[in-house]
Amino acid sequence: QVVVTQEPSLTVSPGGTVTLTCGSSTGAVTSGHYPYWFQQKPGQAPRTLIYDTSNKHSWTPARFSGSLLGGKAALTLSSAQPEDEAEYYCLLSYSGGHVFGTGTKVSVL
Amino acid sequence: QVLLQQWGAGLLKPSETLSLTCAVYGGSFSGYSWTWIRQPPGKGLEWIGEINHSGTTNYNPSLKSRVTLLVDTSKNQFSLKLTSVTGADTAVYFCARWPRADPWGQGTLVTVSS
Repeated sequence: QVVVTQEPSLTVSPGGTVTLTCGSSTGAVTSGHYPYWFQQKPGQAPRTLIYDTSNKHSWTPARFSGSLLGGKAALTLSSAQPEDEAEYYCLLSYSGGHVFGTGTKVSVL
Repeated sequence: QVLLQQWGAGLLKPSETLSLTCAVYGGSFSGYSWTWIRQPPGKGLEWIGEINHSGTTNYNPSLKSRVTLLVDTSKNQFSLKLTSVTGADTAVYFCARWPRADPWGQGTLVTVSS
């Protein structure tokens, strides 16, 4: 069973920058894993921020960006705002299916 | 604007079959994969499976023996059936359109309890 690993928690100061990563137990993450990033706030459905590594939806704030970094998928949040405090999940695609990451709790303090 | 609306029984007893349906409004049904995802209370997201308009499916290996996804193109609907449920299947279940993972259904809380 594939395991997709994220940092359990990260803290960023308002206006600061933080990078979340998403690693695969099978090896390096590539564009062929079509990484997705989701934001979820308490009591709400997840919201898709990034698809296919770095593509944004129309509602994705410009301060969020996706990339590949050091063999992992990465989500960078620049100029963090208090409303960015949330749980973030990545998802990777494999032959025959997809696997969610373990999630990262981002605190803006 | 495409909208997904989902429904199904919210309370089940152990060993019963979970059944949820997701309807697609305002957009094409073909050319996409239709996905089910769940989230147990206080836990992370789990990908359950996907089906396209032709009925081709992919399932999470850990659930494959109990899951069936079906599609009804005449109604622009797709459905999830999960057999032999236990308390571990208690979760909020979401439907969503792939690729791009948009839109999502509103979510349905399914509780398994005797």
